[in-house]
Order: sequence, then C-alpha cells, then structure tokens
Amino acid sequence: DGGITQSPKYLFRKEGQNVTLSCEQNLNHDAMYWYRQDPGQGLRLIYYSQIVNDFQKGDIAEGYSVSREKKESFPLTVTSAQKNPTAFYLCASSSGRQGATYEQYFGPGTRLTVT
Amino acid sequence: EDQVTQSPEALRLQEGESSSLNCSYTVSGLRGLFWYRQDPGKGPEFLFTLYSAGEEKEKERLKATLTKKESFLHITAPKPEDSATYLCAVRLSGTASKLTFGTGTRLQVTL
Repeated sequence: DGGITQSPKYLFRKEGQNVTLSCEQNLNHDAMYWYRQDPGQGLRLIYYSQIVNDFQKGDIAEGYSVSREKKESFPLTVTSAQKNPTAFYLCASSSGRQGATYEQYFGPGTRLTVT
Repeated sequence: EDQVTQSPEALRLQEGESSSLNCSYTVSGLRGLFWYRQDPGKGPEFLFTLYSAGEEKEKERLKATLTKKESFLHITAPKPEDSATYLCAVRLSGTASKLTFGTGTRLQVTL
C-alpha cells in the first residue's frame, strides 16, 4: 500500500539533546513537508522540500533542520536550540508536479515530549 | 495579512442533526481550498479540494462548497463516527505547493 510512514509514534528526550524524526513516503511524490501541531493551534509549517537536495524554511524553522538526500525520505532534526520542542509533528507529501492537484497527504505523526 | 478562520471552534450535534462548518479566508490569489478530517492523535485525512467559486464536492454525508470569501462543509444526518476535527487549508498563488491551515472545528456527534 502507498503511504507515508513516520517513526517512532512516541518519542521522549531530555532537554539539550538533538532528536531526529523519520518520514518516508512511497507515493512517488516530489514535495514533502514538516508541520508542528500544538493544542488549539493550526498546523504550522516548519520546512518543505519540492525536489531532492533542495528545501525551504517554513514559518517556524528556527531550532529545526532537515535534509532531502532521497526522494522518499525527509528527516527532521529538532535541535537543542528549539525552545519549546514538545509537540505533535506531522509529515506530509504532495505530487508537486506541474498540472497536478496540490492536496497533501499526511503521515500518522510523531508525538515528541522533551523534559 | 492572509488569514484562514474556521467557525465554530467546537460543535456538538445529535445523531441526524444536520449542520454546517465554516471556513472564511482573507487572502488574495486563492489557488485551492482543501478540507481535511483529523481524528485524535492521528494525521489529517484528505477530504476535498475546491478551486473556484460555485464548485461543490460530495462524499457520503459531507458536502463542501466554495464562494469567493468562504467555504462550507455541510454535514447531513451525521453519525457518531463523523466526530473529529475538521481542518481547512488554502493554497495561495505564488506559494508553490504551500498550504495555510485554519485552527479547525471540533465536531462531536452524540446518540
């Protein structure tokens, strides 16, 4: 089945540690995204990538980093510089090709807790 | 500033009681409006895309409509399994494939 996988589902870290969240898709999509969701707030865009080896900052990129070395993979690193890292993190992908529709498909999410 | 506002924040319906959720936007250059359903602790599930005023899409008990200023998600004769948070998002011209999301409407359908 085609889809997006995120691992792990739950992640616990101590303050000051970097942590990397995994996102893999087998939909053959060009574009991939990372969002953060906090209670009572909408999804906020952290980073996005429209093509391999290229990515752009979203609205709240400070304290995060990404890489896009393969079309299928878009890992997100939450660094110790992120002041409030505890949140629900969602990865998404879309076709990204000219003439395609632009709906994004989401993974199941990773809930990160930093204490 | 471009904004997407959803109302109400929360809605409680009895089974069979039809209603509508609203998504209003103050953006220029709309290039698509998207509706999603999100269950607690899960990723959003894509429902509909609307591109132009007057367009309508339907799926089971859900019907989405679009005007120049807002979109409605009509829920006809809802069932408890329709309980979820419904999110809308917009794509703007010149923003590649980026979407801007509203904060959602939490719908609870009771027996």
